[in-house]
Amino acid sequence: AQSVTQPDIHITVSEGASLELRCNYSYGATPYLFWYVQSPGQGLQLLLKYFSGDTLVQGIKGFEAEFKRSQSSFNLRKPSVHWSDAAEYFCAVGTTGANNLFFGTGTRLTVIP
Amino acid sequence: EPEVTQTPSHQVTQMGQEVILRCVPISNHLYFYWYRQILGQKVEFLVSFYNNEISEKSEIFDDQFSVERPDGSNFTLKIRSTKLEDSAMYFCASKVTASQETQYFGPGTRLLVL
Repeated sequence: AQSVTQPDIHITVSEGASLELRCNYSYGATPYLFWYVQSPGQGLQLLLKYFSGDTLVQGIKGFEAEFKRSQSSFNLRKPSVHWSDAAEYFCAVGTTGANNLFFGTGTRLTVIP
Repeated sequence: EPEVTQTPSHQVTQMGQEVILRCVPISNHLYFYWYRQILGQKVEFLVSFYNNEISEKSEIFDDQFSVERPDGSNFTLKIRSTKLEDSAMYFCASKVTASQETQYFGPGTRLLVL
């Protein structure tokens, strides 16, 4: 069965520092991978997605993610974090034949001045 | 840019009461979804809906839940007799086609059952 693991429940970084949020998935074939961000009291906003092709994908707000099949990972990165990036980040996987998305438990990002 | 909208943003109800959560998907989308997120937990799939019928549902989506598209724009989730454990944020999502294109999520309805 497919699953998504986000090993870091909470990460704190300083403003201007780089960021990497980890995501590992379990699925037998090539998955469709997504990162969503949820600001306090808000809905889920799509940051970026991977369906096929170039394994390094660019998203909104300066985020990028790299699909590594050998590691079953899709880590989210940003070179310089802004205070407004403080939010909850969810990795999700979609699969061929299934209509729904499977989400990880999320990583809460705190940004300190 | 078109958005998925949901009403109400917050709802408080008594245990055993019926609630209806409303969603207006993006207008040219054909697939509709409900997910829920219990406080502090992951977002969980409830049900998907296409061509006026349920296409897939999770084990969470028991007989207390129902969905319908009463007109050309609204997509509703009904909980017949709410329980305390139904307290959660409920998200509606929609997408254009069956292929794995992006699901667009609404802002959610926070349901509190007392």
